[in-house]
Amino acid sequence: QVQLQESGPGLVKPSETLSLTCTLSGGSFNTYYWSWIRQSPGKGLEWIGYVYYSGSTNYNPSLKSRVVISVDTSRNQFSLKLSSLTAADAAVYYCAVGDSSGYLIFDSWGQGTLVTVSS
Amino acid sequence: QAVVTQEPSLTVSPGGTVTLTCGSSTGAVTSGHYPYWFQQKPGQAPRTLIYNTSNKHSWTPARFSGSVLGGKAALTLSGAQPEDEAEYYCLVSYSGALVFGGGTKLTVL
Repeated sequence: QVQLQESGPGLVKPSETLSLTCTLSGGSFNTYYWSWIRQSPGKGLEWIGYVYYSGSTNYNPSLKSRVVISVDTSRNQFSLKLSSLTAADAAVYYCAVGDSSGYLIFDSWGQGTLVTVSS
Repeated sequence: QAVVTQEPSLTVSPGGTVTLTCGSSTGAVTSGHYPYWFQQKPGQAPRTLIYNTSNKHSWTPARFSGSVLGGKAALTLSGAQPEDEAEYYCLVSYSGALVFGGGTKLTVL
């Protein structure tokens, strides 16, 4: 089973851009989907978006104008950039990858990283 | 954007059976929406229980099953265990755009 670890700043200022990285280790990295999901404190899950193996992306319409997800397979990493941050973007951010069949979008999850938005 | 609805909370007795449901503001949920179910315990990341309506992950206990029932996706837990107390989220695909439900807090009591 592949392990995922999110990394990035825990504190970001309003209006700035959040950059997070998800690093894969162990297991097979043959996956069709690389995804980001977030969870505001005490709230439910929100899908941010994913990159498909072909390179195509699909983003949450409510975040689409501010999100970029990219993959660097040579480094077994993928990243999230979310711009123009506000307090509403404070959340635990999770990365997840699918399995090698292409049928399972969320096979393995990272443990999550807390992002606070404050000046 | 579509809204996916779940029961806010449910309670089941140990050894009992409970069904959690997942509805859509756009109409009936079908297998074509590839519904997922996730389990999340406090302080932990979610983990996938069911995908594409009824497929179980390798770690999904046999007592969990997924289906589409009456226009909703359903997660049935048969023979509830104390360790099944958790938040459960469904997810529905709208032509590739994914929407989570608000979650159901399941209490085993």
